[in-house]
Amino acid sequence: AQSVTQPDIHITVSEGASLELRCNYSYGATPYLFWYVQSPGQGLQLLLKYFSGDTLVQGIKGFEAEFKRSQSSFNLRKPSVHWSDAAEYFCAVGRNTGNQFYFGTGTSLTVIP
Amino acid sequence: EAQVTQNPRYLITVTGKKLTVTCSQNMNHEYMSWYRQDPGLGLRQIYYSMNVEVTDKGDVPEGYKVSRKEKRNFPLILESPSPNQTSLYFCASSPRGRHTEAFFGQGTRLTVV
Repeated sequence: AQSVTQPDIHITVSEGASLELRCNYSYGATPYLFWYVQSPGQGLQLLLKYFSGDTLVQGIKGFEAEFKRSQSSFNLRKPSVHWSDAAEYFCAVGRNTGNQFYFGTGTSLTVIP
Repeated sequence: EAQVTQNPRYLITVTGKKLTVTCSQNMNHEYMSWYRQDPGLGLRQIYYSMNVEVTDKGDVPEGYKVSRKEKRNFPLILESPSPNQTSLYFCASSPRGRHTEAFFGQGTRLTVV
């Protein structure tokens, strides 16, 4: 069965430090993968997506993610975190039909000064 | 501005009182979905629609109804709400195609007492 796992429920980093949020997926075919961010009281905004090709994907707000097929992972990274990055982050894998998605349980990011 | 609009944003209701949460998109998208977000569970799909008059169950459809009479609108109906339907609800839309992302509304926080 298709699924997405985000092993870290909550992460705290200092402003200016680097960030890596983990995402593992289970999918039978070549997956198409997404990272979304949810700021407090807001809907979900797409950060980046991967379908094929270059395994390092650049997104908005300085984020990037690397697809590693051998590890079934699609980790999100940012070299230097800003206080405004505090939010909930969701990894998702596209389903076969209807542009539907399986979402992970989310990782809540706290940024301390 | 391209957007998905949900109403209301906040709703408190009593058990058994029928309610409707509206969702409208102005991007001419074929696909629309409803998700609920609960702590520790991420987003789970309730219903989805691939086009007008075409709807299907998602992962957690019990206690919900939907309709798609017009392309732009996809209301979520709770005929007899119960406290376990207290949640944050998101409507999403996406265009036809395998690799397109979902665009989300800002969410409706529902409390059933």
